[in-house]
Amino acid sequence: AQSVTQPDIHITVSEGASLELRCNYSYGATPYLFWYVQSPGQGLQLLLKYFSGDTLVQGIKGFEAEFKRSQSSFNLRKPSVHWSDAAEYFCALQTRPGGSYIPTFGRGTSLIVHP
Amino acid sequence: DAGVIQSPRHEVTEMGQEVTLRCKPISGHDYLFWYRQTMMRGLELLIYFNNNVPIDDSGMPEDRFSAKMPNASFSTLKIQPSEPRDSAVYFCASRGPGLTYEQYFGPGTRLTVT
Repeated sequence: AQSVTQPDIHITVSEGASLELRCNYSYGATPYLFWYVQSPGQGLQLLLKYFSGDTLVQGIKGFEAEFKRSQSSFNLRKPSVHWSDAAEYFCALQTRPGGSYIPTFGRGTSLIVHP
Repeated sequence: DAGVIQSPRHEVTEMGQEVTLRCKPISGHDYLFWYRQTMMRGLELLIYFNNNVPIDDSGMPEDRFSAKMPNASFSTLKIQPSEPRDSAVYFCASRGPGLTYEQYFGPGTRLTVT
């Protein structure tokens, strides 16, 4: 069975600083990978996704993520954090056609941004 | 499109009462998911439908929970009788056909059972 681990429950950064949120997965092949963001009181919104091809994917709001097969990781990055980025971030995995169509979500990382 | 619509946004009820949560997915989407989010357990998949048919309800906590999708534009999640431990945020999400696999989430219903 597949799994997603987000090792950091909380991350605190200063506004303007760079950000990296970690995501590790366990799956026997290359999965589809996603990052979602949940602002307070809102549902989850897709930031970016990786299916194949270029391992560095660009998303909305200036975020990017890099798929590293050798490390089973899909870390989310942003060069300069804005106060409005404070939110909960979820990494998710979905197996390719032939497997379950149900995504597996990590537990989430809460991003706190200091002024 | 208005996105996934959920109602009510907030629900406060007393233990033992019946609670019905509603969801309208995005038009044209053929998958619908119900999730529950709590601090203790994170985001849990309760049940999902494909073309209005329940496919997997193994995440439904117990018989007090039931879900229906009478047509492509409407689904309900019912809890009867409700208990304080059911207090959570319940999300509905839908997904379109094809190979994008992106889920579109509603704003959620915050349920408080006293």
